[in-house]
Amino acid sequence: DTAVSQTPKYLVTQMGNDKSIKCEQNLGHDTMYWYKQDSKKFLKIMFSYNNKELIINETVPNRFSPKSPDKAHLNLHINSLELGDSAVYFCASRQRTGAYNSPLHFGNGTRLTVT
Amino acid sequence: ILNVEQSPQSLHVQEGDSTNFTCSFPSSNFYALHWYRWETAKSPEALFVMTLNGDEKKKGRISATLNTKEGYSYLYIKGSQPEDSATYLCALNTGNQFYFGTGTSLTVIP
Repeated sequence: DTAVSQTPKYLVTQMGNDKSIKCEQNLGHDTMYWYKQDSKKFLKIMFSYNNKELIINETVPNRFSPKSPDKAHLNLHINSLELGDSAVYFCASRQRTGAYNSPLHFGNGTRLTVT
Repeated sequence: ILNVEQSPQSLHVQEGDSTNFTCSFPSSNFYALHWYRWETAKSPEALFVMTLNGDEKKKGRISATLNTKEGYSYLYIKGSQPEDSATYLCALNTGNQFYFGTGTSLTVIP
């Protein structure tokens, strides 16, 4: 069973479109994250939710909106896609905020290409 | 934003060689230091989570040490094998937040 699953794996779309990436974890974790991998393979935090509550909201355009319907799901919706949004987006989960011995568990990533 | 640095950026070693890389981080707001192994076309996988100064952890041929007072961690690989080829990431955990280094890309030549 996949612990953290993201869909779709690949997403190719045109500028101006709106798209969503879904993430689900079956680990029973309380905390979930969205990371963006830039061109240098650097992982940059975008958002984090703890038990459906937003706890980290880094400086990302407000075209990006996370939604957590329950603690097992954290979806990322992107409005008015731009060329610069092309990247690999990783979802991750962690047992809970404050569980400092608990590592991150990553999904396999979603490669978004905006044309 | 906290600066987490890894060196070297990339490394090529012969099969059987032992190697090590460094992760440097600011000592303030330290909660934990994570190491992840990231193979091409896959997702990062946790190797170690270290929380105490002087911690040493080992998994097979891979081990790591932690010095929180001076702000560094070393990752060691003994007798490198081609399957060790990957990017090794460290991340500083300061509570809710993780700050990742840019990784050390290891290539083990058969």
